[in-house]
Amino acid sequence: KQEVTQIPAALSVPEGENLVLNCSFTDSAIYNLQWFRQDPGKGLTSLLLIQSSQREQTSGRLNASLDKSSGRSTLYIAASQPGDSATYLCAVQRGGGFKTIFGAGTRLFVKA
Amino acid sequence: NAGVTQTPKFQVLKTGQSMTLQCAQDMNHEYMSWYRQDPGMGLRLIHYSVGAGITDQGEVPNGYNVSRSTTEDFPLRLLSAAPSQTSVYFCSTSRGETQYFGPGTRLLVL
Repeated sequence: KQEVTQIPAALSVPEGENLVLNCSFTDSAIYNLQWFRQDPGKGLTSLLLIQSSQREQTSGRLNASLDKSSGRSTLYIAASQPGDSATYLCAVQRGGGFKTIFGAGTRLFVKA
Repeated sequence: NAGVTQTPKFQVLKTGQSMTLQCAQDMNHEYMSWYRQDPGMGLRLIHYSVGAGITDQGEVPNGYNVSRSTTEDFPLRLLSAAPSQTSVYFCSTSRGETQYFGPGTRLLVL
């Protein structure tokens, strides 16, 4: 059974710091891996999607990497801003767009 | 284009009551799914549908029913609410690998 773990559970950093969020999964037979952002009381917004054949994806100050063999992904946030404060969820798919397994998330707080 | 809409936003039920959580989408996506999110846990899949008339169980289906008579709507029914069903419920649609989520329904069962 696929399990997704995210470390740390919570993180507080000063504005401007570069930071790394970690995600690990137990079954390397994944179709893709996604990172989502969730603001309090809101739904999820997809940030980055990495296909199983890819090693990384970048969008602005965000960079996500994927190492299938070790069952790990990292989300790198450069020059963090208070607006980055949110919960970040990692999720893996075995196939299709519905059988998605989520991690519990990392709650990030960026202090001004 | 409203995307994925969910109603109600918040609901309080008494144990044993039944209710339907509504989910609607205007993106013509075939895949729709329901998740629940509990504190300290990731989203868990309740039921999903790959198209009108086709539904299947996810990870935690007990106590919930779904039907999909149209592409647009995918309601989730709680047959007899229990305190363990207190949670935030998210509806999702998918096109290919990209998932779109509704804003959620916060349910409290007393």
